[in-house]
Amino acid sequence: GAVVSQHPSWVICKSGTSVKIECRSLDFQATTMFWYRQFPKQSLMLMATSNEGSKATYEQGVEKDKFLINHASLTLSTLTVTSAHPEDSSFYICSARVWEKRYGYTFGSGTRLTVV
Amino acid sequence: TQLLEQSPQFLSIQEGENLTVYCNSSSVFSSLQWYRQEPGEGPVLLVTVVTGGEVKKLKRLTFQFGDARKDSSLHITAAQPGDTGLYLCASWVPGYGKLTFGQGTILTVHP
Repeated sequence: GAVVSQHPSWVICKSGTSVKIECRSLDFQATTMFWYRQFPKQSLMLMATSNEGSKATYEQGVEKDKFLINHASLTLSTLTVTSAHPEDSSFYICSARVWEKRYGYTFGSGTRLTVV
Repeated sequence: TQLLEQSPQFLSIQEGENLTVYCNSSSVFSSLQWYRQEPGEGPVLLVTVVTGGEVKKLKRLTFQFGDARKDSSLHITAAQPGDTGLYLCASWVPGYGKLTFGQGTILTVHP
């Protein structure tokens, strides 16, 4: 139980275009989801906290206009990388807190974004 | 300032060796989690430790939570190539409901 499905697994896009990454909770409702960015051989860096029905909370240094987050339902959060540039290339991972499990967080399988 | 200091950052060992990864902080945590991540995948939860002094075992993996709940360790006995991966400690930040991670330890076990 408590599965988070993330799509796509990988995407290649041209500079200047936008890319949308979806994160769905399959068997539970996620009022809060988290978006992380990860560079090769490094840890996860929290980008923003996505709240259903309200604005996302961004971590310091993360550009709100570049990384648009929408959490329109209890099972879906999306991250859109707008006007992508090669430096946006990274591994993006979403996560949801599973309130039924006191300390439980479940993660998506990640999206490898390559901007060319 | 890193909330969770994890060490070492890299470990390269031979199959059969033992190893320990450390996760330290100046803050007291209500709980601490250990994750393992393989390339191209999301982290997978290994264990959550909650009580100071707690020891949990998962096959060849032994997890300890410090008495003061400021540090934790992961010990692997007789490492195998299948243990290769990125190991992350993480803790929930009270009041914010978000998980913060240590820098991670990249473990490579050679056959």
